[in-house]
Amino acid sequence: AQTVTQSQPEMSVQEAETVTLSCTYDTSESDYYLFWYKQPPSRQMILVIRQEAYKQQNATENRFSVNFQKAAKSFSLKISDSQLGDAAMYFCAFTHRHGNKLVFGAGTILRVKS
Amino acid sequence: GAVVSQHPSWVICKSGTSVKIECRSLDFQATTMFWYRQFPKQSLMLMATSNEGSKATYEQGVEKDKFLINHASLTLSTLTVTSAHPEDSSFYICSASEGINYGYTFGSGTRLTVV
Repeated sequence: AQTVTQSQPEMSVQEAETVTLSCTYDTSESDYYLFWYKQPPSRQMILVIRQEAYKQQNATENRFSVNFQKAAKSFSLKISDSQLGDAAMYFCAFTHRHGNKLVFGAGTILRVKS
Repeated sequence: GAVVSQHPSWVICKSGTSVKIECRSLDFQATTMFWYRQFPKQSLMLMATSNEGSKATYEQGVEKDKFLINHASLTLSTLTVTSAHPEDSSFYICSASEGINYGYTFGSGTRLTVV
């Protein structure tokens, strides 16, 4: 069974600084997708970034980028130039290519200080 | 972009009554829909997966007779909490997928309070 581990229950970052959220996963499959979702106080789930396992290049979306280490089964999220609006719960998630169930990590609460 | 509408956004019901939550994909056909339950400051717990026209697949530990899921069309899935009790109070979220290559879109969630 696939598992996703987020070892940081809470993180804090100063506005305009950079923060990295860690995520590791366990799977025996070679083909899969990884996601980072943001859940602000409104509780709406928002896709931040997505990575296909077969792609070696790390995904980037504006201030958000990932460090995907397939051999180490690690998928960390880097947020650059942090903004107050980045404060939220962040979830790492996994799905197998040929299945479609999302497996979520426990989440990391990110606080942004002004 | 893809939009999923979930209603109601919040509901209060009396213990012993049933509550229905709707999840609609507004601009795409959702081949698969998922229902999650989330407690405060915790992760999303998958309750069941439903495919249009098929019976839902429930996760281990989820009572099928208590949480009835219907996916009658490619744009609508419903979750009915039957004979609700205070311990069923939670935040319920639906998600819809057109298929793996199209990702997942989440509804805005329903806060259920059973009194």
